[in-house]
Amino acid sequence: GDSVTQMEGPVTLSEEAFLTINCTYTATGYPSLFWYVQYPGEGLQLLLKATKADDKGSNKGFEATYRKETTSFHLEKGSVQVSDSAVYFCALSDSWGKLQFGAGTQVVVTP
Amino acid sequence: EAGVAQSPRYKIIEKRQSVAFWCNPISGHATLYWYQQILGQGPKLLIQFQNNGVVDDSQLPKDRFSAERLKGVDSTLKIQPAKLEDSAVYLCASSLARWDTRYEQYFGPGTRLTVT
Repeated sequence: GDSVTQMEGPVTLSEEAFLTINCTYTATGYPSLFWYVQYPGEGLQLLLKATKADDKGSNKGFEATYRKETTSFHLEKGSVQVSDSAVYFCALSDSWGKLQFGAGTQVVVTP
Repeated sequence: EAGVAQSPRYKIIEKRQSVAFWCNPISGHATLYWYQQILGQGPKLLIQFQNNGVVDDSQLPKDRFSAERLKGVDSTLKIQPAKLEDSAVYLCASSLARWDTRYEQYFGPGTRLTVT
């Protein structure tokens, strides 16, 4: 069945550092790919998405590119802020809209 | 617009007791989802409704979990009887349509259940 694997956390960074969170997937068909973020005490929010190969999703300085050849959707941000401290979830969706999530990666940004 | 509402936010029960969670989706959203998020894991889909019909409940432990969506709006998820392993955050989400991933799933704040 479909599955998502993302790097384990916590990832601890200093402010203004470069962030990468690796995500790879296994799926039949042509899934859509997502990054969700969960800030402390809040619900899940969609951060960005890509619906087909080579699409790049971007939002709030975060980017991820749908790489079919490597079945990856790595999340990157060039300069993180303390406010980016959160748990990040990679997910895929089949054609029926069913989301399959990775285990999540906690990111801690220190001043 | 108002987001997805869930209640209660927290619940503590003893094992073998029953519990119910309530969800009110965003107005006009036809699709409603219930997820279970165990600590340290990603959310896992329990059940998916399209209007008031069930379209996917393959991962719902039907011997103890039940869910309904009356009139295609609000939904309740019930656990009876609860087990220790049911301790988790129960998330409700809604979207305009399930067959089109252009339509984002919007998540509620969740209900944190602790079974002792």
